Amino acid sequence: AQSVTQPDIHITVSEGASLELRCNYSYGATPYLFWYVQSPGQGLQLLLKYFSGDTLVQGIKGFEAEFKRSQSSFNLRKPSVHWSDAAEYFCAAILTGGGNKLTFGTGTQLKVEL
Amino acid sequence: EPEVTQTPSHQVTQMGQEVILRCVPISNHLYFYWYRQILGQKVEFLVSFYNNEISEKSEIFDDQFSVERPDGSNFTLKIRSTKLEDSAMYFCASIRDRGSTEAFFGQGTRLTVV
Repeated sequence: AQSVTQPDIHITVSEGASLELRCNYSYGATPYLFWYVQSPGQGLQLLLKYFSGDTLVQGIKGFEAEFKRSQSSFNLRKPSVHWSDAAEYFCAAILTGGGNKLTFGTGTQLKVEL
Repeated sequence: EPEVTQTPSHQVTQMGQEVILRCVPISNHLYFYWYRQILGQKVEFLVSFYNNEISEKSEIFDDQFSVERPDGSNFTLKIRSTKLEDSAMYFCASIRDRGSTEAFFGQGTRLTVV
């Protein structure tokens, strides 16, 4: 079955430390891949997306993600985390030609320690 | 910047009552979606809507649910007879056209069924 997996439910990092949030997908073909962030009381905001081409994509707020076909992964990274990055992060996918509905992972709650 | 707006932000209703959640998608967008997120769980696709009809729906979207675009701007989700398990955050999203995959989300409506 098509799915998106985020292995880490909670992650805590210190402010200024680097961050990597993991995402794996299970699809027959390479899907479109996305990372969304949800701050408390807010909607889902798109951080970045991957469709094709360069496997390292840059997003907003200093985030980047790398697509690795061999590992079916699309991990989100940030070199130096800020306290305002504390939020829930969702990896999501759209199957190419599949009607544009998003399939989400379970989310990773990021806590930033000062 | 154009945005998707949802009203109300919070709704408390008694079990068995009907509720209508309202969304105003971005004005030139053609595809509309409802997703829901039960507390502590992943965001799940409910239904997609295009050209005044449902284009896809999930198993969750049973006969208790309906969607409508009653005028040129609003997109509504109706739950006919709410159950306790309908308590969730409901997100509306819109996409500009078939060739676009970036979904813009509203801030959500938190529905609590008591």
